[in-house]
Amino acid sequence: DAGITQSPRYKITETGRQVTLMCHQTWSHSYMFWYRQDLGHGLRLIYYSAAADITDKGEVPDGYVVSRSKTENFPLTLESATRSQTSVYFCASRPGLAGGTDTQYFGPGTRLTVL
Amino acid sequence: QKEVEQNSGPLSVPEGAIASLNCTYSDRGSQSFFWYRQYSGKSPELIMSIYSNGDKEDGRFTAQLNKASQYVSLLIRDSQPSDSATYLCAVNEASGSARQLTFGSGTQLTVLP
Repeated sequence: DAGITQSPRYKITETGRQVTLMCHQTWSHSYMFWYRQDLGHGLRLIYYSAAADITDKGEVPDGYVVSRSKTENFPLTLESATRSQTSVYFCASRPGLAGGTDTQYFGPGTRLTVL
Repeated sequence: QKEVEQNSGPLSVPEGAIASLNCTYSDRGSQSFFWYRQYSGKSPELIMSIYSNGDKEDGRFTAQLNKASQYVSLLIRDSQPSDSATYLCAVNEASGSARQLTFGSGTQLTVLP
């Protein structure tokens, strides 16, 4: 049972490059989320998705793009990476509203460094 | 703007003591409350969820919720060195279909042997 996975786990890139972080879950959860975690800020929501082809902005969406063509995948793209996007990125998922829980389950994270 | 505040710590307790972690939230209509534990370099993992006023116990962990005071706490009894981690309080917003979580910035706990 793989649960929720993220790739790559570590990434170093340069300012201005496009980077895509992948998230895959095997639970068929309806909701998926992308967070970034920085010292002093806790977890901040970037984007979320309620289902395939339904996405919405979170607290800090600028500079990021998401898509969700399949329920199990939720990639996050940094269109032109900036140093301020250096962070640890976590993907999370949870069942739909009828799933009996609103607990979010987190992937292992991707540590991104933008030089 | 919805806010979740945690005592900033770091918090140190001796092994075997009770660790008390506190969290306040600004949205009076919040419905669900969570405590996550995060070891250094790892992802958050759920410890407790609580939905109703009062106490909820699970092993050495007790979550306490007081909606009138907009306050949720986590008590760890018989603290162990393996409990050393950052504890994140998360609150489910009251409205919106996605029922997003708002996280506090975390309290770092160290249990001293």
